[in-house]
Amino acid sequence: DAGVIQSPRHEVTEMGQEVTLRCKPISGHDYLFWYRQTMMRGLELLIYFNNNVPIDDSGMPEDRFSAKMPNASFSTLKIQPSEPRDSAVYFCASSFSSNYGYTFGSGTRLTVV
Amino acid sequence: DQQVKQNSPSLSVQEGRISILNCDYTNSMFDYFLWYKKYPAEGPTFLISISSIKDKNEDGRFTVFLNKSAKHLSLHIVPSQPGDSAVYFCAEPNNAGNMLTFGGGTRLMVKP
Repeated sequence: DAGVIQSPRHEVTEMGQEVTLRCKPISGHDYLFWYRQTMMRGLELLIYFNNNVPIDDSGMPEDRFSAKMPNASFSTLKIQPSEPRDSAVYFCASSFSSNYGYTFGSGTRLTVV
Repeated sequence: DQQVKQNSPSLSVQEGRISILNCDYTNSMFDYFLWYKKYPAEGPTFLISISSIKDKNEDGRFTVFLNKSAKHLSLHIVPSQPGDSAVYFCAEPNNAGNMLTFGGGTRLMVKP
């Protein structure tokens, strides 16, 4: 298995533009998590899915953020419109059932200028 | 409120010496904790965990200690190697047990 795959690895965009981050979890994993890493807040959970259903999105900072998981092998995190304070590294992780040994992707470094 | 805190943002250690990374928590439903390690430009990877039935768990050079009365856990790396230089996060499950909450991380630098 290639692990959790995220794309793009780097994204630079202008303020106000729409940004879409993509994630392919490990096949067979039924949980998918979106985390954001910043200097100030460390690793914070944005949203997670179980069997493609969003379970807890209380970490999503604003309505500008949305996430979908249309099937077991794909998820997106969208920011519209983007702002400079959204600049961070966004990680996707997946796990099987109650196993806490999450597998993280390599992250997407987002820079909003 | 459930929280794990890592009060030291960075730690510098000489190669061959012991590295001690600390983590404090406020409340824990499960008394189960994990450590993750993160290299630059990579995602965090699971390193070691500990549950309440033990106060110590060892895996090679890595040992995690749990002090429930003090609500404190620590990760010991001995001997430290330059390849251990990374950011280390402690984590615990939330009260529902279906997601992890991470501390802010400690950047470890092991000098040759």
